Amino acid sequence: DAGVTQSPTHLIKTRGQQVTLRCSPKSGHDTVSWYQQALGQGPQFIFQYYEEEERQRGNFPDRFSGHQFPNYSSELNVNALLLGDSALYLCASSFSGLKETQYFGPGTRLLVL
Amino acid sequence: GENVEQHPSTLSVQEGDSAVIKCTYSDSASNYFPWYKQELGKRPQLIIDIRSNVGEKKDQRIAVTLNKTAKHFSLHITETQPEDSAVYFCAASMGYGGSQGNLIFGKGTKLSVKP
Repeated sequence: DAGVTQSPTHLIKTRGQQVTLRCSPKSGHDTVSWYQQALGQGPQFIFQYYEEEERQRGNFPDRFSGHQFPNYSSELNVNALLLGDSALYLCASSFSGLKETQYFGPGTRLLVL
Repeated sequence: GENVEQHPSTLSVQEGDSAVIKCTYSDSASNYFPWYKQELGKRPQLIIDIRSNVGEKKDQRIAVTLNKTAKHFSLHITETQPEDSAVYFCAASMGYGGSQGNLIFGKGTKLSVKP
């Protein structure tokens, strides 16, 4: 049984570029949440997808957008990258009956130069 | 919105000693409190959680206690081992029809267990 997977593992971009990160949830899970973890900090909630719709959103600008596909996998898109977007981006999956019990993927380390 | 404070930021113990990490939360509507362990370069791993209808939960060497009145919860690790060394995060959420699952995290506690 595969756990939560994310791709790519690492990414280097320059300011102003756009990036797409991908996540496949754990088998049996249908809800995907995205978090940003800056160095030395706890994860910060970006948004949550369920039934292919954004259900909740944290305090992040519209440059951050997402999508969920019929197979429950999800993408996080960030436009007009800023230096401050450099962080570990974590995807967490859960079952819709217990959305708060979340299991994390290994993350994508994004460096913006 | 919810705010979670976590203390201490660093904790160093001798192997075999106990370790206690404490968190406070601000929103009395929060009812789910998980703890995650994150080793260097790895994903946060859910190690134990507690819901507001329970005061204490144990799983082998780890336990979590919750005081709803004071709005704080704690992680207790007994008989610590070097492999317990990691950063531990507490979190709070309103599950069961509340905000439906967004986790608010503390800033983490770096635990070092010295052999």
